[in-house]
Order: sequence, then C-alpha cells, then structure tokens
Amino acid sequence: AQSVTQLDSQVPVFEEAPVELRCNYSSSVSVYLFWYVQYPNQGLQLLLKYLSGSTLVKGINGFEAEFNKSQTSFHLRKPSVHISDTAEYFCAVSEAGTASKLTFGTGTRLQVTL
Amino acid sequence: NAGVTQTPKFRILKIGQSMTLQCAQDMNHNYMYWYRQDPGMGLKLIYYSVGAGITDKGEVPNGYNVSRSTTEDFPLRLELAAPSQTSVYFCASSSPGGVNTEAFFGQGTRLTVV
Repeated sequence: AQSVTQLDSQVPVFEEAPVELRCNYSSSVSVYLFWYVQYPNQGLQLLLKYLSGSTLVKGINGFEAEFNKSQTSFHLRKPSVHISDTAEYFCAVSEAGTASKLTFGTGTRLQVTL
Repeated sequence: NAGVTQTPKFRILKIGQSMTLQCAQDMNHNYMYWYRQDPGMGLKLIYYSVGAGITDKGEVPNGYNVSRSTTEDFPLRLELAAPSQTSVYFCASSSPGGVNTEAFFGQGTRLTVV
C-alpha cells in the first residue's frame, strides 16, 4: 500500500514570487507520481507526472517537479506564480507498471495575492 | 471529445433515499474509478473497475454499490443515503500502464444528504 503526505495545507504567496509545494510518499514498491490541480468547483486536471527516466519533470503552466527517491519526495515548484495559479494542488501516487488506483494526499491550497 | 461526463452536478437527498450517480467516458479506457472528496481529506477511492464486468472495492466502499456492464459506463449507487455520504463525488478513467498513464476526471457531483 502507498501513502502520500502533503505537510502544508495552505501556502500563501505574492504574485511573481517562487513557490514550492511539498509532497512525500511511502511505498514498498516502485511508484508513479502525479500532481493534479483543482480550480474552484472543477474536477482535477493533471499538471505533471513522473513515470521513469529524468527525475526533473516539467508540466503545464510553468510548473515542474523533482523526484527524489532517497528522500521519497516529489516537490512541486514554480519560479514565478500568477494570480490564476490560485487553486488546490494534490499529489498522488500509484503502483508503477499499471494504471492502478491513485492514492492522494490531503491537498495544498495555494493562495496567490497581489 | 467529451472525456468523462458525470450527472447530475448537484443533488440533495433525504436520509434513507437512494440514487445513482452516472459516469460515462468516451476514451475507450478500461479502468474506471469513483472517488469521494471531503474537505481537508483529499480524495478517497470508493470502487474501481478494470474492465466490463469486473469491479472491486476501494478504501471506503461501505454504503455504495457499482456495476460495469459496458466499457463506457460506471454508475455508483447509494442505497440508503446517510449524512456521512455528503461529499463531492468524482469519477475518473485511465488506460492501462505505459507512458500514457494518466487518470482523467469528471467535473464532480456535489451530494448533500439531509
């Protein structure tokens, strides 16, 4: 079984500032890692994913994440945020090699202000 | 391309009533999932299916039932609604493993049980 920990429930940040949203996971098997974004009253949209290969993955809207196997982390970063990035962000994990069910973290609310 | 379509978007039920949440996907995905999202809890898996005629329990299946008679449809049934089932329900679908591994989500059904 897998588990995901998102330590920060809320992250306030000023527009154009950098941001990092933290994600740690636990698993006894190899995993795939994902970040999803949820805008108010919307479904979840994939930001980026790590399946294998390069540990630095780039996604949509200027976001990137780095897979660190030794620290079991998959932190999400953006060098300069915009007001429109205000949303809930979810880190998720699934067992590698399958399209198996996702285990989600509890989410981080990113609040971008002027 | 519609993706994953959920109906209804909103519903209020009285305690003890029953209802079916509909989910349909047009991407020919084998895998389909039902999640519930509660504030501060992330998404929890209720049931999932790896193909027509095959379903299995997720983390929080009590009080729900599913069926999968076709590849496209995966309805979720609430037999005796309880206040604890007040939540936002998301249906998702994905294709088996590989580089295209990604779950696509519907827009959600907001259910209130009073």
